[in-house]
Amino acid sequence: DTGVSQNPRHKITKRGQNVTFRCDPISEHNRLYWYRQTLGQGPEFLTYFQNEAQLEKSRLLSDRFSAERPKGSFSTLEIQRTEQGDSAMYLCASSLAWSNTGELFFGEGSRLTVL
Amino acid sequence: GNSVTQMEGPVTLSEEAFLTINCTYTATGYPSLFWYVQYPGEGLQLLLKATKADDKGSNKGFEATYRKETTSFHLEKGSVQVSDSAVYFCALSTSLIQGAQKLVFGQGTRLTINP
Repeated sequence: DTGVSQNPRHKITKRGQNVTFRCDPISEHNRLYWYRQTLGQGPEFLTYFQNEAQLEKSRLLSDRFSAERPKGSFSTLEIQRTEQGDSAMYLCASSLAWSNTGELFFGEGSRLTVL
Repeated sequence: GNSVTQMEGPVTLSEEAFLTINCTYTATGYPSLFWYVQYPGEGLQLLLKATKADDKGSNKGFEATYRKETTSFHLEKGSVQVSDSAVYFCALSTSLIQGAQKLVFGQGTRLTINP
């Protein structure tokens, strides 16, 4: 499978715990995006990487959230001290640098439930 | 700011019916417009796009025309099939650093086609 891969697919945690999600983009894609989707809503932009550089972050990304892409390949999204309001689907997407048409390739998402 | 508004769902139709899903947008500048589709158990995938006014995007029998004068990008299909059952998202793109594109999504419209 050469698509965008996300793990774990589902995570249930207690409030206050830390969680980490991993995204493996399509191998030749150097742009990587994280979005969050809550029930009944469309995805909302969280952050964007070009290679290993995190170039933009949404104000939705509070201090408890941190994303990394250390070698310009896979990325991790960590949420510290989770809150019930963090319950959502976290989507990763990737694209080619020279594709400026806005077409993103999405993974199936990681669903977080905070009890 | 930039935003997308879709007709509320869910929408239920019989097979071979005509489909319209309305989408209007608010944006500064001249965004590209997209329809993404999410089939059950799968990630979001691009259905069609249009990058400038009066362009028509088409794919799999679906069409949408970029109407700048009405700021709309309505999705249409002449004869729907059961396999078209999915959630449909209208989106526009805005520019990020180094030419990357951030997608702003509508809330999604769930479509169910009955045989």
